[in-house]
Amino acid sequence: GAGVSQSPSNKVTEKGKDVELRCDPISGHTALYWYRQSLGQGLEFLIYFQGNSAPDKSGLPSDRFSAERTGGSVSTLTIQRTQQEDSAVYLCASRTGRGRYEQYFGPGTRLTVT
Amino acid sequence: GENVEQHPSTLSVQEGDSAVIKCTYSDSASNYFPWYKQELGKRPQLIIDIRSNVGEKKDQRIAVTLNKTAKHFSLHITETQPEDSAVYFCAASREGFKTIFGAGTRLFVKA
Repeated sequence: GAGVSQSPSNKVTEKGKDVELRCDPISGHTALYWYRQSLGQGLEFLIYFQGNSAPDKSGLPSDRFSAERTGGSVSTLTIQRTQQEDSAVYLCASRTGRGRYEQYFGPGTRLTVT
Repeated sequence: GENVEQHPSTLSVQEGDSAVIKCTYSDSASNYFPWYKQELGKRPQLIIDIRSNVGEKKDQRIAVTLNKTAKHFSLHITETQPEDSAVYFCAASREGFKTIFGAGTRLFVKA
């Protein structure tokens, strides 16, 4: 079946502009994660959604970052007033909520802020 | 806050040798410990995981050990092959919720 998809695959934006990154999880997966991976670095946790529960936003680096998940499926990560340090690959992952914890990752969105 | 430390950051081995990567975690409530492999330009993929109710798990050439008391867990790859070359990430979470990843280990297997 279809895996996790993300769009766009690449985004170049000017400093100060807002960007929206989209994640389509695997159908039926109730949990969804956003991570940030800077060049050659590890995965930095940003936010976690589980079903209808309040999201865990503890990893968002500043109030310029926000995310929502509509209808328990598609998620959008929004970065306002982008800065050069926001340049990174943004990865989305999803997993089934039924006692299995394996996360399935999307291909990522490479964000470049000029 | 929660933290996962991973060592070494780079590991180079000869084909056929074993490779060991070690992680420590800070949150004693963590009970799920996955390992992901990320090849260059690709997305991370789960290779093995362990839950806190067992001390060791093996899948062919890959094994993971967990020491809950010391809050350590390790990945062991035996009989390494060139296709094992990649970046490996450990992670820790409670019940699969918020997941904290280590910084990664870049493994080079020399033919």
